[in-house]
Amino acid sequence: KAGVTQTPRYLIKTRGQQVTLSCSPISGHRSVSWYQQTPGQGLQFLFEYFSETQRNKGNFPGRFSGRQFSNSRSEMNVSTLELGDSALYLCASSLRPTSGSNGELFFGEGSRLTVL
Amino acid sequence: GNSVTQMEGPVTLSEEAFLTINCTYTATGYPSLFWYVQYPGEGLQLLLKATKADDKGSNKGFEATYRKETTSFHLEKGSVQVSDSAVYFCALESTTSGTYKYIFGTGTRLKVLA
Repeated sequence: KAGVTQTPRYLIKTRGQQVTLSCSPISGHRSVSWYQQTPGQGLQFLFEYFSETQRNKGNFPGRFSGRQFSNSRSEMNVSTLELGDSALYLCASSLRPTSGSNGELFFGEGSRLTVL
Repeated sequence: GNSVTQMEGPVTLSEEAFLTINCTYTATGYPSLFWYVQYPGEGLQLLLKATKADDKGSNKGFEATYRKETTSFHLEKGSVQVSDSAVYFCALESTTSGTYKYIFGTGTRLKVLA
């Protein structure tokens, strides 16, 4: 069974640009969450999608947005990039909210964004 | 609101030493508790979990017991190996009106020396 796939794995952008990251969940998983990981702030929740609807949102500015497609693939977009957006962006999928889930999140390897 | 607090790192141990990484939580109701591990260059993966009070989760020699009276879920291993060097995250999942929400601790970096 293929795991969670994130693309691209690495990218470099300059301030002011925008970036789109992609996440393909495990087959059958309809819930996708996004996290930002930085050395100073740890793991910060961005948002969660289920059936193309955003169900939860973290405390990030409106420059951070996301969406989910009918095949459960998800994208997140960051506009007007700032130096502080440099981070590892992790995507996780799960079987939630179905009763068949034990709550486990399955993570991709992440997309490492560097903003210069 | 709900929160997870885990001990600051980094933790540096010699091989075969005993490991404890403390984790305490604040939550209403009865959350599920998890430990995730992140090896260098990888995403997080589930290490163990417990869903109710007094449950003990275990995997790969690691153990953690859900202690409701002390609101704790400390991670332990009797004899660590160099290959255990990673970042460990404590997390809880709470449920409110059918909505599930995850909260992660800040992570504890473990370095094991040969």
